[in-house]
Amino acid sequence: KAGVTQTPRYLIKTRGQQVTLSCSPISGHRSVSWYQQTPGQGLQFLFEYFSETQRNKGNFPGRFSGRQFSNSRSEMNVSTLELGDSALYLCASSHTFRANTEAFFGQGTRLTVV
Amino acid sequence: AQTVTQSQPEMSVQEAETVTLSCTYDTSENNYYLFWYKQPPSRQMILVIRQEAYKQQNATENRFSVNFQKAAKSFSLKISDSQLGDTAMYFCAFIKPTSNTGNQFYFGTGTSLTVIP
Repeated sequence: KAGVTQTPRYLIKTRGQQVTLSCSPISGHRSVSWYQQTPGQGLQFLFEYFSETQRNKGNFPGRFSGRQFSNSRSEMNVSTLELGDSALYLCASSHTFRANTEAFFGQGTRLTVV
Repeated sequence: AQTVTQSQPEMSVQEAETVTLSCTYDTSENNYYLFWYKQPPSRQMILVIRQEAYKQQNATENRFSVNFQKAAKSFSLKISDSQLGDTAMYFCAFIKPTSNTGNQFYFGTGTSLTVIP
């Protein structure tokens, strides 16, 4: 079956703009989590959605937001982009939110803010 | 707070040899899950191996095995018979299975492994 699909793969934005990233989970998976990966900070948890509800949120400013649709696809939005938002954004899908279910990652969206 | 430490930023190993990647973690939880993920240049994180903290037996997956020392909070990955395709960044990760954290991974900073032909 198809894996986790993230679009777009690459994105270049200007400081101050906003951006929306998309994640389509594996069919049947209802949990989607987002992570920011940077060389300096490593992988940091952004938020997790399950059945259209945000279940958990990491320590990021309010400029970072997300949502999940009824088909489990998720979007994350970053407003008022800063240079430090340049990163690889990864999403992971799993069948449930329980920790013993395997999470599958997408290939990420590489965001560059100039 | 949960922290995961990988003290080896870079490692290399000759093809067919064995290499061990180190990971330590800090948690006050008694029940949790530990993982090793591999991230090749394609950027996709791939699960290598998983260990449940309540299981004393070390997990193994073909050429990959772990040495899980719960008291020492240590979780090292051993790769036997290293292959060129093992070249990747390896991340150690932790999940605590409580109802309010779900699938929130805590990742280490990664170890870049290069397999030399």
